Amino acid sequence: GAVVSQHPSRVICKSGTSVKIECRSLDFQATTMFWYRQFPKKSLMLMATSNEGSKATYEQGVEKDKFLINHASLTLSTLTVTSAHPEDSSFYICSANTGGAKFFGPGTRLTVL
Amino acid sequence: GQNIDQPTEMTATEGAIVQINCTYQTSGFNGLFWYQQHAGEAPTFLSYNVLDGLEEKGRFSSFLSRSKGYSYLLLKELQMKDSASYLCAVRDDSGGYQKVTFGTGTKLQVIP
Repeated sequence: GAVVSQHPSRVICKSGTSVKIECRSLDFQATTMFWYRQFPKKSLMLMATSNEGSKATYEQGVEKDKFLINHASLTLSTLTVTSAHPEDSSFYICSANTGGAKFFGPGTRLTVL
Repeated sequence: GQNIDQPTEMTATEGAIVQINCTYQTSGFNGLFWYQQHAGEAPTFLSYNVLDGLEEKGRFSSFLSRSKGYSYLLLKELQMKDSASYLCAVRDDSGGYQKVTFGTGTKLQVIP
C-alpha cells in the first residue's frame, strides 16, 4: 500500500516553544493532506485540510494561528504547533488519499512540559 | 453535520467470528472506511465501501447499506493480534471538499 511518513515520531518540548511536524507521501503525490489529533482513548479529530499551493482549511474550534500548516509541495505538508502548552500534548496524525483509500502516517506523539 | 455510532467495546473468543456495527447519518455520503488501530499506533486501512454490498478481503469483510446508513466489519477466525480498536469513518463531500469523520471506535478484546 501507499506510504505516508511523519517526522518526528516523538517529541518532548518546553512550554512556550514551537514544534514542527512533517508529513510526507513517499510514493505518490498528494494535493491534499489531512491533520488529525487524537486524545487518549478517543477517536481521531480532524484539525485541518492541507492544500498544496493554497491556504489550509481549518475545522471549527481549531486555532489557525496556533496550528500553522504549510503544504509546500505535492509530497510534503508541515504542521507547526506554536507556543506549545501542556494542553497541546497529544498524538498528531497526518493522512493522504490515493487510489480511493486514505493512508495514515505513523503519528507524532507530542509532550509539552 | 455527521453522526457516527459504533459500540464502545466488544469481547470475542479466539477462532470465533465477530461483527462490529456502525451506523451513520450524513448529508453528502461518499464512502465508508474501516480502520484498525493498535494502542499507541496510527490507524491502518482495512476497507473502503462506496456501493451497497459485502466486500471480502481475507479474514475481514465489510458490508454497506447506504439506504439504511449502516455498515459492519466482520472478522473471522479471530486471532489474539486482532485485539485493537476498529474505527468506522465516513466520507462526506457536501462541503465542496472531501471530509472524513471518524466514529469513536470499537475496542475489541480477543480472549483465548
